[in-house]
Amino acid sequence: DQQVKQNSPSLSVQEGRISILNCDYTNSMFDYFLWYKKYPAEGPTFLISISSIKDKNEDGRFTVFLNKSAKHLSLHIVPSQPGDSAVYFCAASENNYGQNFVFGPGTRLSVLP
Amino acid sequence: DVKVTQSSRYLVKRTGEKVFLECVQDMDHENMFWYRQDPGLGLRLIYFSYDVKMKEKGDIPEGYSVSREKKERFSLILESASTNQTSMYLCASSLDSGQAAGEKLFFGSGTQLSVL
Repeated sequence: DQQVKQNSPSLSVQEGRISILNCDYTNSMFDYFLWYKKYPAEGPTFLISISSIKDKNEDGRFTVFLNKSAKHLSLHIVPSQPGDSAVYFCAASENNYGQNFVFGPGTRLSVLP
Repeated sequence: DVKVTQSSRYLVKRTGEKVFLECVQDMDHENMFWYRQDPGLGLRLIYFSYDVKMKEKGDIPEGYSVSREKKERFSLILESASTNQTSMYLCASSLDSGQAAGEKLFFGSGTQLSVL
């Protein structure tokens, strides 16, 4: 049973609009959450993180929201750009050790010009 | 910039063959990891190593072994490849396992292994 779920395998958004990528988890002990971004033929790269002491973290056009009671987090990209087209993975862990993160299956975002 | 290099982008092997996947990092990182990525599933940790000659099992170690004889190199070994090991394999490294370590995973570009 997957502990981290990204129920939308793909998402298409018009350039300039908001992209919202969702992630749900089942383990209430998870306290650290990451988003990684992956372009074709490249490895995933770290994008943004949040820990359970916060409900929002912002970095430029990227904002991650955490609703711990709902076991749900979301990544907002505003405004979306064609260069944001990639696969986005969310990951969760009880601590912040690299080997303990559980990754979701990913959502492929396509930003249309 | 940290560079994590995986020796092959694509690999085709036959059932029963012994397969070596090589990974090299150039930033003197302590920790190295092997993941596999399958459609509909997340990245799943196979093995990781926090020092030379040290290794720990991840979530799905069955059918795999690893070798870390030098700090910069971490090899994944499939002793007898099977068709269910057809997958994308990703290597990663990180400097430390302390605070915010999850943010500091640097991944290679992956090896797509097909076992026929």
